[in-house]
Amino acid sequence: QQQVKQSPQSLIVQKGGISIINCAYENTAFDYFPWYQQFPGKGPALLIAIRPDVSEKKEGRFTISFNKSAKQFSLHIMDSQPGDSATYFCVPHNAGNMLTFGGGTRLMVKP
Amino acid sequence: DTAVSQTPKYLVTQMGNDKSIKCEQNLGHDTMYWYKQDSKKFLKIMFSYNNKELIINETVPNRFSPKSPDKAHLNLHINSLELGDSAVYFCASSQALGTGELFFGEGSRLTVL
Repeated sequence: QQQVKQSPQSLIVQKGGISIINCAYENTAFDYFPWYQQFPGKGPALLIAIRPDVSEKKEGRFTISFNKSAKQFSLHIMDSQPGDSATYFCVPHNAGNMLTFGGGTRLMVKP
Repeated sequence: DTAVSQTPKYLVTQMGNDKSIKCEQNLGHDTMYWYKQDSKKFLKIMFSYNNKELIINETVPNRFSPKSPDKAHLNLHINSLELGDSAVYFCASSQALGTGELFFGEGSRLTVL
C-alpha cells in the first residue's frame, strides 16, 4: 500500500468544472493502470484503464494521463456532473498480484 | 442477472458470535477475493482464491477464514466477532489473479454490537 499514493483525499468541484485526481507509484513492474469508481452503497467498478505504452486515454468525459518517467498517472473528469460524485481509486498492478485499493479520493460535485 | 452476488446485505450481531457471508459469481472467473472497507472508505484486500490456492493478506486475523466449495463460490467465515470487525465486506472476482477487470458484489455491511 505504501507503493501507491493517491491525492487529494477529498475534492469538491462545481458542476461543469474539471476534477483531477493524481496517483503516484513506486513499483516499475506495474503494467496496468486502472481507475475504479465507487458510488455509495455499491461496490467499486472499473471506470477507465491504461497500459504503459500510451500516454493518454480518453473515454467520454474521462481521461487518464500517464507519465511513465515520473511514475504518475492521473484521472481528469471534464464537465464534472453531480452524478460523478463518488469515491475514486487508482489501482496500479501487474498480473499475478492482488489489487490493493487504499483510501481513494472522495469527489463531490456541487450543482 | 447479477454477476457477483453476496448475502446477506446487512448483518447485525453480538460480539463473540460466529457469522458467515456468502458470495457467488456467474462470470466463469478463476479468481475470487474478499475485501474489507472501513468507515473511512479504506478498501483492504483480505484474501484471494485462485484454482484452490489461497493467498492471505498477512494482516488478517486468523478468526477470518475463506471457504470455497467450488470455483463459483467463496464464502467468508468469521469466528469470535469483535467490535473492530464492523465494516462493509466486498466479494470480487476476476478472470485470473491480478489480471483484467475486477467485478465486485454490492457489499455486506456487518455491524458488531
